Amino acid sequence: QSVLTQPPSASGTPGQRVTISCSGSSSNIGSNTVNWYQQLPGTAPKLLIYSNNQRPSGVPDRFSGSKSGTSASLAISGLQSEDEADYYCAAWDDSLCWVFGGGTKLTVL
Amino acid sequence: EVQLVESGGGLVQPGGSLRLSCAASGFTFSSYEMNWVRQAPGKGLEWVSYISSSGSTIYYADSVKGRFTISRDNAKNSLYLQMNSLRAEDTAVYYCAREITIFGVALDYWGQGTLVTVSS
Repeated sequence: QSVLTQPPSASGTPGQRVTISCSGSSSNIGSNTVNWYQQLPGTAPKLLIYSNNQRPSGVPDRFSGSKSGTSASLAISGLQSEDEADYYCAAWDDSLCWVFGGGTKLTVL
Repeated sequence: EVQLVESGGGLVQPGGSLRLSCAASGFTFSSYEMNWVRQAPGKGLEWVSYISSSGSTIYYADSVKGRFTISRDNAKNSLYLQMNSLRAEDTAVYYCAREITIFGVALDYWGQGTLVTVSS
């Protein structure tokens, strides 16, 4: 049971906009920033969004993040086949640990 | 270019021990906090341990507390995870990850991972 709650799956067709939610509590998302990771099959997680809505250099602006209260969202616009991956949200928790969501498997139909 | 390369994984019997290493390059290792994160086969990410840049502050997940020990050698640009009393549920790919602080904290670079299998 993951501390942060994500839907296990999401899907969309090429060109569509998809959102993935992440729900936490006052000790993690409510008081710290949220990061999002993309994990392609057989590879290590890659930082996609940090500080709720910031993109590292090289990440397309099709990816965006937002946070409100104890929840956060990742949006992917102009969906492409190469976006098919697992997506994880993460935040530092005030109990002195990193917490992750259970992951959302994105399928591009 | 930032690089993190884990090593030391393998097959170990329940109750056994293993020491993982993470070799860092391309950045000033001694200036960054580091973490270990693991992923059981087909499962999600689970944080394991944190160590501050100097090594003076350490945190562990409850699932490994008392069995795992994180350490670092800044002179050798290396991070370690000593794993004792291993259990079947410790089977996972173990990643080392660099932590940055920029408008909050994030794990920005991850190694490729090393697989630990605990089985008789």
